[in-house]
Amino acid sequence: GAGVSQSPSNKVTEKGKDVELRCDPISGHTALYWYRQSLGQGLEFLIYFQGNSAPDKSGLPSDRFSAERTGGSVSTLTIQRTQQEDSAVYLCASSLRGASSQNEQYFGPGTRLTVT
Amino acid sequence: RKEVEQDPGPFNVPEGATVAFNCTYSNSASQSFFWYRQDCRKEPKLLMSVYSSGNEDGRFTAQLNRASQYISLLIRDSKLSDSATYLCVVENSGYSTLTFGKGTMLLVSP
Repeated sequence: GAGVSQSPSNKVTEKGKDVELRCDPISGHTALYWYRQSLGQGLEFLIYFQGNSAPDKSGLPSDRFSAERTGGSVSTLTIQRTQQEDSAVYLCASSLRGASSQNEQYFGPGTRLTVT
Repeated sequence: RKEVEQDPGPFNVPEGATVAFNCTYSNSASQSFFWYRQDCRKEPKLLMSVYSSGNEDGRFTAQLNRASQYISLLIRDSKLSDSATYLCVVENSGYSTLTFGKGTMLLVSP
């Protein structure tokens, strides 16, 4: 079946502009996660959605970052007033459930964001 | 103590060699553990889940030692295509999120 998809695959933006990144999880997966990975670094957790529950926003680095998940499926990560330090690969993952069982996460190909 | 700690490597091994990676974690209440592999400039891909009794998938064997809070991955008969970064992943108990280690790089040479 189809995996996690993300768009765009690459985004170059000027400092100060807003960007929107999109994630389409695997159909039927109730949990959705956003991470970012800077060059040569590990994955940094950003936000987690589980069904209709309030999202876990504990990883968002600043109030310039926000995310929505509409209808329990597609998610959009928005970065306002982008800064050069926001340059990274933004990865989305989904899992069947967010609980301890069936929480293997499957990743999309990522969006490479470059802020100039 | 870092939540999930791995030797960054790189581990340089010849084809056919056996190589093992260890990973330590700090949250003793964690219940789920995984190994992912990540190729250069690609997304992480699930390699295998790690079960309490240890589990094997072809050339790959994963072990969990709860008492010492470490996880291991053994790769037998290394192939060139095994060259990648291997990420140790631990569930954040009670939070339904996962913490990823920074990975161990493996380079398999002819």
